[in-house]
Amino acid sequence: AQSVTQPDIHITVSEGASLELRCNYSYGATPYLFWYVQSPGQGLQLLLKYFSGDTLVQGIKGFEAEFKRSQSSFNLRKPSVHWSDAAEYFCAVGRGSGTASKLTFGTGTRLQVTL
Amino acid sequence: KAGVTQTPRYLIKTRGQQVTLSCSPISGHRSVSWYQQTPGQGLQFLFEYFSETQRNKGNFPGRFSGRQFSNSRSEMNVSTLELGDSALYLCASGGGRGYEDTQYFGPGTRLTVL
Repeated sequence: AQSVTQPDIHITVSEGASLELRCNYSYGATPYLFWYVQSPGQGLQLLLKYFSGDTLVQGIKGFEAEFKRSQSSFNLRKPSVHWSDAAEYFCAVGRGSGTASKLTFGTGTRLQVTL
Repeated sequence: KAGVTQTPRYLIKTRGQQVTLSCSPISGHRSVSWYQQTPGQGLQFLFEYFSETQRNKGNFPGRFSGRQFSNSRSEMNVSTLELGDSALYLCASGGGRGYEDTQYFGPGTRLTVL
């Protein structure tokens, strides 16, 4: 069965500092990986996705993620965090076989940004 | 393009009642998926509809059901509500093409069961 682990429940960074949110997955075949962000009381906004090809993917709002098959990881990074980045971040893996529509999510990482 | 819309945004019900939530996907999308989000269980997949047929199903009791209409709009129904059904219900739409499908989420419906 597929699974996603986000080991950090809560992270606090200073505005302007770099950020890395960790994501590890378990999947039997080539994974389809996603990062979503959720602001309080809101739905999920897609930040970026990886299906195949270049293992470094760029997303919106200056985020990027790197797929490392050998480490089963898909960590999210941002070189300089803005106060508006405070939110909850979810890593997800798609089913991959026939459809990526069924997503399995990690438990999320809550990001706090201090000024 | 307009995004995924969900109605109502907030709902309060009492135990034993039933509830229907609605989701309108992005124009042109044929796949609609539903997820339940709770503090304790996180985000869990309920089911997915494509071209009016249920294509995938999560591990939820039969009290949770859904359907999709010919215009791709979807409804989710929960019968005999329990306190534990209080959650944010998220709908996501996708092109439904398969391997490289991406899910785009709506704002959710916050259901409170008293």
